[in-house]
Amino acid sequence: GEDVEQSLFLSVREGDSSVINCTYTDSSSTYLYWYKQEPGAGLQLLTYIFSNMDMKQDQRLTVLLNKKDKHLSLRIADTQTGDSAIYFCAESRAGGSYIPTFGRGTSLIVHP
Amino acid sequence: KAGVTQTPRYLIKTRGQQVTLSCSPISGHRSVSWYQQTPGQGLQFLFEYFSETQRNKGNFPGRFSGRQFSNSRSEMNVSTLELGDSALYLCASSLEADMNTEAFFGQGTRLTVV
Repeated sequence: GEDVEQSLFLSVREGDSSVINCTYTDSSSTYLYWYKQEPGAGLQLLTYIFSNMDMKQDQRLTVLLNKKDKHLSLRIADTQTGDSAIYFCAESRAGGSYIPTFGRGTSLIVHP
Repeated sequence: KAGVTQTPRYLIKTRGQQVTLSCSPISGHRSVSWYQQTPGQGLQFLFEYFSETQRNKGNFPGRFSGRQFSNSRSEMNVSTLELGDSALYLCASSLEADMNTEAFFGQGTRLTVV
């Protein structure tokens, strides 16, 4: 299986909360990231969390980490049409290259 | 402060040709990484350069190569192009090659091989 897995699509209504899920396989993952890619653009780092944390909140974004289950989620509160994009989960590990390994991305579609 | 600049934005090549893509990192950034993004494989790491040295390499054939210049600008080259090389090639730069340092991505070069 892949190192980082995400569902490919998520559709939500404007104003609702979005939850994008991700699972990873390497228990030595140290940093876990969420990136956003808008059409025609590169990747933008939204937030990251250390593996010794359970939760991180930044305005409308909440990241939850379940290290035991190797499960990461990104919750976007009050989702707006401008949040429509592809969201990538990524992990990097200590003791080696810092280069993050990416999931295939979840396309978030926000409809009115 | 200018962001990461990739040129060209779009490119069409035929099979068997070679191509060179360019990436200018943010001023002061010394680490440059390259990724290939395709619908089927997602984001795949190609290589990373730091102070003109290739420090990390992904699982790509030798047709894919790169280099970094003393001003930190980087180029990647793909020789003997195949249809499967059609992809968005993304470059990312960071201040240092370190997990604590955010990587900033360019808009990418869309390569189409026909």
